[in-house]
Formats: sequence, structure tokens, C-alpha cells
Amino acid sequence: EAQVTQNPRYLITVTGKKLTVTCSQNMNHEYMSWYRQDPGLGLRQIYYSMNVEVTDKGDVPEGYKVSRKEKRNFPLILESPSPNQTSLYFCASSLLPQGNYNEQFFGPGTRLTVL
Amino acid sequence: AQKVTQAQTEISVVEKEDVTLDCVYETRDTTYYLFWYKQPPSGELVFLIRRNSFDEQNEISGRYSWNFQKSTSSFNFTITASQVVDSAVYFCALSEARRGGGNKLTFGTGTQLKVEL
Repeated sequence: EAQVTQNPRYLITVTGKKLTVTCSQNMNHEYMSWYRQDPGLGLRQIYYSMNVEVTDKGDVPEGYKVSRKEKRNFPLILESPSPNQTSLYFCASSLLPQGNYNEQFFGPGTRLTVL
Repeated sequence: AQKVTQAQTEISVVEKEDVTLDCVYETRDTTYYLFWYKQPPSGELVFLIRRNSFDEQNEISGRYSWNFQKSTSSFNFTITASQVVDSAVYFCALSEARRGGGNKLTFGTGTQLKVEL
């Protein structure tokens, strides 16, 4: 089954404790991205990657890191989480966008709470 | 920069009523794509529809219909004879090309729809 998986689905942590949220897709997609969803703000893009070893900042990259060492995986790293990073996170993937076309497939979401 | 506005933060209706969710967008691109996603209480994002800027035909899928009007930069979503299972947050999104390659999906802030018995 074609899908995007994220782990963990739920995480409660404390300020400053490094964490990684994994994202994996089995559709051989080149393009992957991370979003965070906050009440009243919709989804905002954190980072995106157009292919292996190619990553770039989205709209809200501060406090986050990503890596793309393999095509299928795109982990999101919070080196020193803070309470303002409490949010619902979505990973998404798609074929490399052609022009403006971009139908992204979303993972199930990771609900992160930073105390 | 592109922008998507969903002015309705929350809508409550009684089951079987029709309801329209508004979406207004801004973009400088002549070619773009518009999307609607549903987010039920379980939290996942469910893709509903994609529409490109050259196709202004309205679309109907069961109880769902979409009205795309370039003249008013709107892409409204109507649910006919609403049901309790339609209760969810609905997001409108716009895709535009990004300088240097790739593109970007910009979401509206969402509309919470509550359908009551």
C-alpha cells in the first residue's frame, strides 16, 4: 500500500531534550516536506527536499533540522525543543513537482507536546 | 507572495442542511492548482479535490461540489444534505511554483464544520 508513515504518532517531551520524528514513504517520491499545524494558522511548511542531499527552508524553519540521506526517508530533528514547538506535524511527499502541480501525500501526523 | 483566506473559522449546521465553505486566494502565477483537504477529528489529512487554474468547470462528487471562479479568485466548497460524519476541519490550499525549482503549497487557516443532529 502506497503510504507515508511517521513515527512516533504521539510524543510528550521536555524542553531541551533532542528528538527526531521519522518520516518514510514507499512511493519513490523525490519531493518531501514537513509542515506544522497550529490553531488559527493552518499548515505551514518547515523544510522541504527536492531529492537526496537537497534540502531547503520553508516558511518556519527556526529550531528544526532535516536530513535526506536516502530517498525514502526525511527525518525532522529538534535539537533543543521548546514549548513553542508544541504542534501537530505532518510529513508529505510527492513526485518532483512539474510546474505548479503538486499533489502531496500526507502522513498521519505526529502530535508533539514540549513541556 | 501567495495567500489563501478562509474567513469562516467555524460553522455549525443541523444535519441535512446545505453548507458552503468559502476560500479566496491570491497569487501572481497564471498557472496554479487549488486543493481542498478534510481533517476529521482523528487528525489525518484527507485529499478531496484538485483543480488547475485553466479548468473553471464546477465539479460534483456525490454530496460535494466545488465552485471555482477566477474572476473573484474563489474556490468554494458546498456540502449538500450535510451529515454528522462531515464534521471536520476543512482546508483550502494553493500551489505555486518556487524560484529555483519545486513548488510550495500554501494552506488557509481552515474552517471547522460542526454538523449536529
